[in-house]
Parts: sequence; structure tokens; C-alpha cells
Amino acid sequence: AQTVTQSQPEMSVQEAETVTLSCTYDTSESDYYLFWYKQPPSRQMILVIRQEAYKQQNATENRFSVNFQKAAKSFSLKISDSQLGDAAMYFCAIARGTYKYIFGTGTRLKVLA
Amino acid sequence: DTAVSQTPKYLVTQMGNDKSIKCEQNLGHDTMYWYKQDSKKFLKIMFSYNNKELIINETVPNRFSPKSPDKAHLNLHINSLELGDSAVYFCASSQGAGVGIFGSGTQLSVL
Repeated sequence: AQTVTQSQPEMSVQEAETVTLSCTYDTSESDYYLFWYKQPPSRQMILVIRQEAYKQQNATENRFSVNFQKAAKSFSLKISDSQLGDAAMYFCAIARGTYKYIFGTGTRLKVLA
Repeated sequence: DTAVSQTPKYLVTQMGNDKSIKCEQNLGHDTMYWYKQDSKKFLKIMFSYNNKELIINETVPNRFSPKSPDKAHLNLHINSLELGDSAVYFCASSQGAGVGIFGSGTQLSVL
């Protein structure tokens, strides 16, 4: 069975600073995908970044980047130059093949002005 | 154009009633899902369909019945609603293990 663990229920960051959200996962598969989703107060689930497990290079998307450590089964999200609009719940998720995404319990990110 | 649209956005109803939530995607994806997000924000898969065929049913009570008339639609019918069914229900779609695109959610409140 696949599991995803987010050990930080809540994080705070000062505007313009950098913050890292942690995620660890467990899977017996060698081929899978990892995702970070953002859920602002509007409730919409928005994809932030995606990583294919077979790729060694860490994915980046503008101010968002990941640190993917396959052997350690770790997939952290770094947000640089934090903005007020980054305040949201962030969910880490794993998917293998198709049909099922497993989500972590989420990290609430507060951005302080 | 909304990629994954679900209706209604809010649903308030009495215990014991039957209700439906509709979902449509215009992305040409082959897989659609229903997720339940509880009051603690935990997201759990309920069902997934691939090309109209039920692939995953995650021990959901049989009061919940999904129906996929075609690849672009996945509806959720709930019979005999209970207080514990109150949650946000998300529809999503993907192409294979690609990016899951979510609808805006339906907030169900059972009184």
C-alpha cells in the first residue's frame, strides 16, 4: 500500500522569504508520480508541481521547486520569495499507473506580511 | 471554459434524503474520480472510473452509487443521507497517471 506523510500540520513564513514543506512517502513501486497541490480558501485544488520518479532532475516551476530523494522516499517543496497569495493548504500526493492518487494530510502555510 | 465542472457547488439537505452531484470534464481524459474531503481537510479517494468502467471502490457504503454514462461524465448519487456524509466532494480527471485536474468541489451539509 502507498502512504504519504506530511509531518508539519502548519508552517509560517515571512513574505519574500523561503520555506520548505516536507513530505515522505512509502511505496513498493519503482515507477510512480509525485505531486504537490495547493488548496487556498477558495477550496479549489491547484496543481503546483509534478515529479516523475524515473527522473533524477528535480522539478521546478517558477518560485516552486522540489527536492526529490528517491532512496529516502522524500519529496519536499521549496517556495522561494513567498507571497501573500501562497497562503493555503498544501497537499503532497503520489500516483502510480492510474486510477488512484493518495494524499497526505496537508500542511497549512501562513505567509506573514 | 472550465475543465472539470461539478454541480452544485453547495448542497444543504436533511438526513434521509437522496441527492446527486454531477461532474463533467472537457479535457478528453480517460479516468475520472470522486474524492471526499472531511472537516480535517483529509482527502480520500472514493471511486475511480477508467473509460466508463469502475476501477476502484474504496470501501464506500453502498448508499453511494457512481454512474459514468460516458467518458466525460461521472455522477455521484447518495441515498439516505447521514450526518457523517457532510463533507466536500471533489470530482477529478486525469489521463493515465498524468496530472489530476480537480473540480471546484461540492460542499454537502446534512442537517
